[in-house]
Amino acid sequence: AQTVTQSQPEMSVQEAETVTLSCTYDTSESDYYLFWYKQPPSRQMILVIRQEAYKQQNATENRFSVNFQKAAKSFSLKISDSQLGDAAMYFCALTGANSKLTFGKGITLSVRP
Amino acid sequence: DTGVSQDPRHKITKRGQNVTFRCDPISEHNRLYWYRQTLGQGPEFLTYFQNEAQLEKSRLLSDRFSAERPKGSFSTLEIQRTEQGDSAMYLCASSPIRQGWQETQYFGPGTRLLVL
Repeated sequence: AQTVTQSQPEMSVQEAETVTLSCTYDTSESDYYLFWYKQPPSRQMILVIRQEAYKQQNATENRFSVNFQKAAKSFSLKISDSQLGDAAMYFCALTGANSKLTFGKGITLSVRP
Repeated sequence: DTGVSQDPRHKITKRGQNVTFRCDPISEHNRLYWYRQTLGQGPEFLTYFQNEAQLEKSRLLSDRFSAERPKGSFSTLEIQRTEQGDSAMYLCASSPIRQGWQETQYFGPGTRLLVL
């Protein structure tokens, strides 16, 4: 069975500052993929960033980057230069050969102007 | 807009009634997934299709739930004899297939169900 744990229910960041959202996971598979999804209030879920487990290099997408620590089964998301539009619920998710996503409980990020 | 669409966006029903939701995936995507999300929680997998074949069903999907994808395009999710515990957001996602590679799933806006 796969599990994803997001232990921080809420975080807050000042606009233009950097914030890191934590995620740990467990899987018995050797090939798997990790994702961060963003779900703004009353809006649909969109992909922020993905990481293939076989890649050692951490994924980056503009202001978003991950710190993937495979041995520790840790997958944190760093948001640089935070913007008001970054306020949302963020979900860490994992998938393996069975294709279904396993999500964490999510973290609510608020951005202070 | 060629994203995943879902209909209706909101549904209020009385306990014991049947409801049906529709999902239209991105046109070239072979895989279609259903998830359920309750308030303050992450989505939970319900079932998925590859073309018209239903490949996996979660134990969360009781006998009152049935999903179809008859022509490998749109899908329907039906809940019979609804219960208050069925109140949730029902999310649909789709993805293409690439051999040996896990494609990203793209989500629709969801159908929010309230059972009174």
